Amino acid sequence: DAKTTQPPSMDCAEGRAANLPCNHSTISGNEYVYWYRQIHSQGPQYIIHGLKNNETNEMASLIITEDRKSSTLILPHATLRDTAVYYCIVRVGSGNTPLVFGKGTRLSVIA
Amino acid sequence: DTGVSQNPRHKITKRGQNVTFRCDPISEHNRLYWYRQTLGQGPEFLTYFQNEAQLEKSRLLSDRFSAERPKGSFSTLEIQRTEQGDSAMYLCASSKLGQGRKNIQYFGAGTRLSVL
Repeated sequence: DAKTTQPPSMDCAEGRAANLPCNHSTISGNEYVYWYRQIHSQGPQYIIHGLKNNETNEMASLIITEDRKSSTLILPHATLRDTAVYYCIVRVGSGNTPLVFGKGTRLSVIA
Repeated sequence: DTGVSQNPRHKITKRGQNVTFRCDPISEHNRLYWYRQTLGQGPEFLTYFQNEAQLEKSRLLSDRFSAERPKGSFSTLEIQRTEQGDSAMYLCASSKLGQGRKNIQYFGAGTRLSVL
């Protein structure tokens, strides 16, 4: 079973920041937080991952709380093309374990 | 790097028929995963290869399912005697050993199976 809890859906106005929360209260010390997204009719796409420090790349920022029990994915300027299902996943970073997906958050970016 | 390629993209079959899907991973990726996704759900793990060795199988992989990766490159997933409950999107992902803690899986676009 997925070790994360996410809201089923969210809306965001185009051009505004989208903040997607994720709870992972049972995360272990060696588990990373990964974010993937899935645009309709496509396979999941990697976005970002982190252990305990905040991370930023060209797609998004990841903010992890100090106790690591929750995190937030931030899309700084959402566009219509960011409409997708976003999955928050916890797993051991260096292992060969498969990804365990929950139902994710369906983000709708509205013009 | 042309990405993970899956064929066919769509497959319609009658109940009881056998089907086979193919996955071509990213070049030099030695790990290959199969997942299944039904409507409204996240992908679920089926099986995993490192090179040609099948290292893990999910309890979802019934006896009717078999996966191979004969030369450690492309992989096939066969479903025998298909049932309507097999209707789903079948996703393939690959990753490269040696990425350390990065271990990012890259997914193909999937094969959508409809069993009539």
